[in-house]
Amino acid sequence: DAGITQSPRHKVTETGTPVTLRCHQTENHRYMYWYRQDPGHGLRLIHYSYGVKDTDKGEVSDGYSVSRSKTEDFLLTLESATSSQTSVYFCAISESGVSYNEQFFGPGTRLTVL
Amino acid sequence: TQLLEQSPQFLSIQEGENLTVYCNSSSVFSSLQWYRQEPGEGPVLLVTVVTGGEVKKLKRLTFQFGDARKDSSLHITAAQPGDTGLYLCAGRAFKAAGNKLTFGGGTRVLVKP
Repeated sequence: DAGITQSPRHKVTETGTPVTLRCHQTENHRYMYWYRQDPGHGLRLIHYSYGVKDTDKGEVSDGYSVSRSKTEDFLLTLESATSSQTSVYFCAISESGVSYNEQFFGPGTRLTVL
Repeated sequence: TQLLEQSPQFLSIQEGENLTVYCNSSSVFSSLQWYRQEPGEGPVLLVTVVTGGEVKKLKRLTFQFGDARKDSSLHITAAQPGDTGLYLCAGRAFKAAGNKLTFGGGTRVLVKP
């Protein structure tokens, strides 16, 4: 199994508070991704990173920011959480030229915004 | 924006029956992947198809990539309760920035013993 951990695994917070989710990998893969998963929507890309300090927006980036100061860590921040951001968040990693760029996923973080 | 539509959204069958899940798009993909996700876990890759018309078999699972590289199907023969899960297709566009994938909405499969 690819070495990907997410923390926390569960979080309950209140509307308006800042929240940071962490993704940590031990595979030294170049690409890292943050997705959210909601019923009926599959996985939707929030932001991704293609290297240290190199990030770009996905399809649902509003209200989220990311940072990657080290290869192994990718942080997702909700500056002011809203109820619409209640979801399960998955981090994934991939590497060019490896198995058709398969993405390996972490175990997910369940976030509830009250 | 490339979209992938999966059908059906939900499938409930008895053990031993066959099932097919479809993944369709109006866009062309360089490759298409199928993932399976179990409750409380992240998706896990089952297969990648990369050539139009390609058929791949993984035990009782058969995956097909359409000739035009716009659609794919997953067929399970003699389904077992262990096949229960959420099946997701994901397509990679040609020259996709950041190795990005576009995911379908998923098909939830329930195999009853």
